[in-house]
Amino acid sequence: EADIYQTPRYLVIGTGKKITLECSQTMGHDKMYWYQQDPGMELHLIHYSYGVNSTEKGDLSSESTVSRIRTEHFPLTLESARPSHTSQYLCASSPAGAPKNIQYFGAGTRLSVL
Amino acid sequence: AQKITQTQPGMFVQEKEAVTLDCTYDTSDQSYGLFWYKQPSSGEMIFLIYQGSYDEQNATEGRYSLNFQKARKSANLVISASQLGDSAMYFCAMRGSSNTGKLIFGQGTTLQVKP
Repeated sequence: EADIYQTPRYLVIGTGKKITLECSQTMGHDKMYWYQQDPGMELHLIHYSYGVNSTEKGDLSSESTVSRIRTEHFPLTLESARPSHTSQYLCASSPAGAPKNIQYFGAGTRLSVL
Repeated sequence: AQKITQTQPGMFVQEKEAVTLDCTYDTSDQSYGLFWYKQPSSGEMIFLIYQGSYDEQNATEGRYSLNFQKARKSANLVISASQLGDSAMYFCAMRGSSNTGKLIFGQGTTLQVKP
């Protein structure tokens, strides 16, 4: 079982607001990821981290930013939300060095920007 | 470039029957991993099964098995004895040999189990 938590589960917010999506894991995993998923579509990687103070952009360009100050915490921030940011955001983590490198996902945050 | 293709947007299966969900992949890496995830309507992604490119035997996890045909670059998921709770979207994903561990996902297949 994976212990990775995302809050909030649902967020409806107005254009121009700053938002932070929280992601925490209690498994001590070094690697963490953020994916964006539009309804009924595939997931696209937007950010990842190898460990504390390490962040990289993913395959899909995103206006969001991330930080990794603690191993267990990997928040995603949108400085000024727009309707085009409406989507589901999924956080995942995996242990470093494990041969399978299975990623375990949180429940996701469904963001709607009006 | 790596790519995952799932050609079945939607599938129906009768309860208690077996169903196969197709997945083909493309990669130039010699070492890679293939994954299947289940996504119920609630939105979370649930890991089901993993197959490594060097694994000689097909992976099995309970009612899930992975039909791995390396030469054909296919990694089909077989669900035996389908249950109503299996109704969900299923994603095939691949991890390449790079150290990032990032996954490339297919478009997904929606499975509906009929009573």
